[in-house]
Amino acid sequence: DTAVSQTPKYLVTQMGNDKSIKCEQNLGHDTMYWYKQDSKKFLKIMFSYNNKELIINETVPNRFSPKSPDKAHLNLHINSLELGDSAVYFCASSPLGGGGYNEQFFGPGTRLTVL
Amino acid sequence: AQSVTQLGSHVSVSEGALVLLRCNYSSSVPPYLFWYVQYPNQGLQLLLKYTTGATLVKGINGFEAEFKKSETSFHLTKPSAHMSDAAEYFCAVSINTNAGKSTFGDGTTLTVKP
Repeated sequence: DTAVSQTPKYLVTQMGNDKSIKCEQNLGHDTMYWYKQDSKKFLKIMFSYNNKELIINETVPNRFSPKSPDKAHLNLHINSLELGDSAVYFCASSPLGGGGYNEQFFGPGTRLTVL
Repeated sequence: AQSVTQLGSHVSVSEGALVLLRCNYSSSVPPYLFWYVQYPNQGLQLLLKYTTGATLVKGINGFEAEFKKSETSFHLTKPSAHMSDAAEYFCAVSINTNAGKSTFGDGTTLTVKP
């Protein structure tokens, strides 16, 4: 059983389109995250949800909107896609409210290419 | 706020040689420190972590790291590199507030030569 899964794995789309990436975790964790990894492998946190509530919102354009329908799911919707949005997007989860001392469990990533 | 610096974006070693990947952190409160590994086209997975207690931490695949408060370091080592160790390695720091947010270093690419 996959612990943290993401769909789709690859996403190729045109500039200006709107797209969504879905994430599900079956670990029973309270906290979920979205990260962006650019072409140089730099990893930056975008959002974090704890029990469906937004707790971290880094300086991300408001074209990006996360949604957590329940504790096990965190989706990422992106409006008006731009070339600079091309990256690998990782979902992650951690237990016990995120608590600092807990490691994060990462999904396999979604490679987004904007043409 | 916490931060982490990984010295050396690329490290190359021969198979069987010592692996040393450097990580220094900055934190105003006691930190929690992590090393993650990312194999090509995969997500990150935890190698090891330091929270409290013993400062020498052992992880998977023969890796270990030592928390040195006086040097604000958490370097990752492995006595003998294997070809399968070639990957991207990330050091991360978090504290007991800030909603469990971890700050990641820029990563170090480890190449292992036969």
